[in-house]
Amino acid sequence: KNQVEQSPQSLIILEGKNCTLQCNYTVSPFSNLRWYKQDTGRGPVSLTIMTFSENTKSNGRYTATLDADTKQSSLHITASQLSDSASYICVVSAGTASKLTFGTGTRLQVTL
Amino acid sequence: NAGVTQTPKFRVLKTGQSMTLLCAQDMNHEYMYWYRQDPGMGLRLIHYSVGEGTTAKGEVPDGYNVSRLKKQNFLLGLESAAPSQTSVYFCASSYSNEQFFGPGTRLTVL
Repeated sequence: KNQVEQSPQSLIILEGKNCTLQCNYTVSPFSNLRWYKQDTGRGPVSLTIMTFSENTKSNGRYTATLDADTKQSSLHITASQLSDSASYICVVSAGTASKLTFGTGTRLQVTL
Repeated sequence: NAGVTQTPKFRVLKTGQSMTLLCAQDMNHEYMYWYRQDPGMGLRLIHYSVGEGTTAKGEVPDGYNVSRLKKQNFLLGLESAAPSQTSVYFCASSYSNEQFFGPGTRLTVL
């Protein structure tokens, strides 16, 4: 069964600090891996999409890495801001968009 | 350009009642999806459509029906609501690998 596991479940950091969120997956076949940001009460918004051949991709202060051999991905947030407080969801595609496996997310809280 | 919109934002139903959730997109996307999001679980696909007039079952289709009569609209129906259908429902549309999500509908079934 395809699975996506994220850690930690939740995280609290001080504004300005960096943090790294983890995603492990067992999805086959692998097509791409996505990271989404979901603000409370809103729909997910795409941050990055990486295919098998890409091992890093950045979107502003967000940098995602992918190790297809170990089936692991990470999302690094640099110089966190209060607006980064959200859930971050890792999603792995097995081919078509109807074959997405969603992780349960990491809830990040950035405080003063 | 409104993107993906969902109607209504909130709804409370009694067991056995029916309702329709409306999703609209103005990006001319062929693909549209309905998901549900429950606490402690990842989003799960209910039904999806690859174009006007087409629908297909996702991971958790039981108790739901859908229609895609117009390219820009994707309707999700609950014929006889059950408490297990209490959830937050998200619609999405896509082109290529990029999915765009609506703001969600919070449904409570008593």
